[in-house]
Amino acid sequence: EDQVTQSPEALRLQEGESSSLNCSYTVSGLRGLFWYRQDPGKGPEFLFTLYSAGEEKEKERLKATLTKKESFLHITAPKPEDSATYLCAVQAGRAQKLVFGQGTRLTINP
Amino acid sequence: EAGVAQSPRYKIIEKRQSVAFWCNPISGHATLYWYQQILGQGPKLLIQFQNNGVVDDSQLPKDRFSAERLKGVDSTLKIQPAKLEDSAVYLCASSLERTLMYFGPGTRLLVL
Repeated sequence: EDQVTQSPEALRLQEGESSSLNCSYTVSGLRGLFWYRQDPGKGPEFLFTLYSAGEEKEKERLKATLTKKESFLHITAPKPEDSATYLCAVQAGRAQKLVFGQGTRLTINP
Repeated sequence: EAGVAQSPRYKIIEKRQSVAFWCNPISGHATLYWYQQILGQGPKLLIQFQNNGVVDDSQLPKDRFSAERLKGVDSTLKIQPAKLEDSAVYLCASSLERTLMYFGPGTRLLVL
């Protein structure tokens, strides 16, 4: 069974304090790893898709990386508006569905 | 481009009552998903449609949950009868075949 585990469950940072969120996965035949951002009361919003080990993608203060067993979401010099829950999900085998981790709740204090 | 629409946004019911949620996907998206997100957890797939047909409903509690997608467009998800543990956000998502999934805002259900 495909499994996705995210850590930490919650992370509180000061504005400007860089850190990383982890997503480890166990799947058969990874087709893609997805990062979503979810604000309170809203649906998940797409950030990145990674397809193969060694791949990296960046968007503003966020950078996602992928290895054969895990992915990291690095956040550099975060701002309060980066506060949200970050969800990691995998798409594996022939299935189109995404299997999600439990999320990391990120809070950036001004 | 309009996003995925869901209604209602909030619903409060008593246990053993029935409830229905509606989803209108992005125009042209053949694949539609219903996910359940319990507070503090990631979304869990309930059912996936490809046009009118069901692709995956392995995690749908079929004794109380049902879903349909008429004419391959709108979809409804029904719970009958509801239990306390059904309190969650119900997310609808759509995608073109084998591409990026877009989520709606969700329906927040509270069962008392």
